Amino acid sequence: QKEVEQDPGPLSVPEGAIVSLNCTYSNSAFQYFMWYRQYSRKGPELLMYTYSSGNKEDGRFTAQVDKSSKYISLFIRDSQPSDSATYLCAGGDNRLAFGKGNQVVVIP
Amino acid sequence: NAGVTQTPKFQVLKTGQSMTLQCAQDMNHEYMSWYRQDPGMGLRLIHYSVGAGITDQGEVPNGYNVSRSTTEDFPLRLLSAAPSQTSVYFCASSHTGGSGANVLTFGAGSRLTVL
Repeated sequence: QKEVEQDPGPLSVPEGAIVSLNCTYSNSAFQYFMWYRQYSRKGPELLMYTYSSGNKEDGRFTAQVDKSSKYISLFIRDSQPSDSATYLCAGGDNRLAFGKGNQVVVIP
Repeated sequence: NAGVTQTPKFQVLKTGQSMTLQCAQDMNHEYMSWYRQDPGMGLRLIHYSVGAGITDQGEVPNGYNVSRSTTEDFPLRLLSAAPSQTSVYFCASSHTGGSGANVLTFGAGSRLTVL
């Protein structure tokens, strides 16, 4: 079992819709949780990270962590075609474990 | 400020050949790591280093070798390439004092094909 599970199924949404992405993790020692965005044929780049349980908001993006259920979520409001990318969740401390990634396509 | 620089961007090898993927960072980061990314598998950690002279294995280390003689450089060596090593390889680095978030900065990737 991978430490971070992310259903890799692609997601297509119309422009302006809310995108909801989820991951689960198995290691209860994880303290930091991150979301990376990866455009096609590029390296991943950090979108946002949270410490322990709670919410964090950055513009149109909200990250949520529920440590009691080992659940990580990312919400993108008012999605734009420029949000079309693969989103990778990760958890850990010094060593990060990544999910498989979700490809998101925002259709104009 | 170049960040994390990987070379080459593309490489084609024949089975059994050896090669080195280069990674350099100019951010004075202590931590450096190599991942491979395969369809349906996500990012998997190959090797990592927490400082010059210190390396350790990740999730999928077999067939790869690393060394860290300087803070800036962390090359990945393929000793005898196999088709199963066809992948996109990412080098990443971060500043961490041993605790706290390991916020990785990734390079642009090296696409390797082994025939």
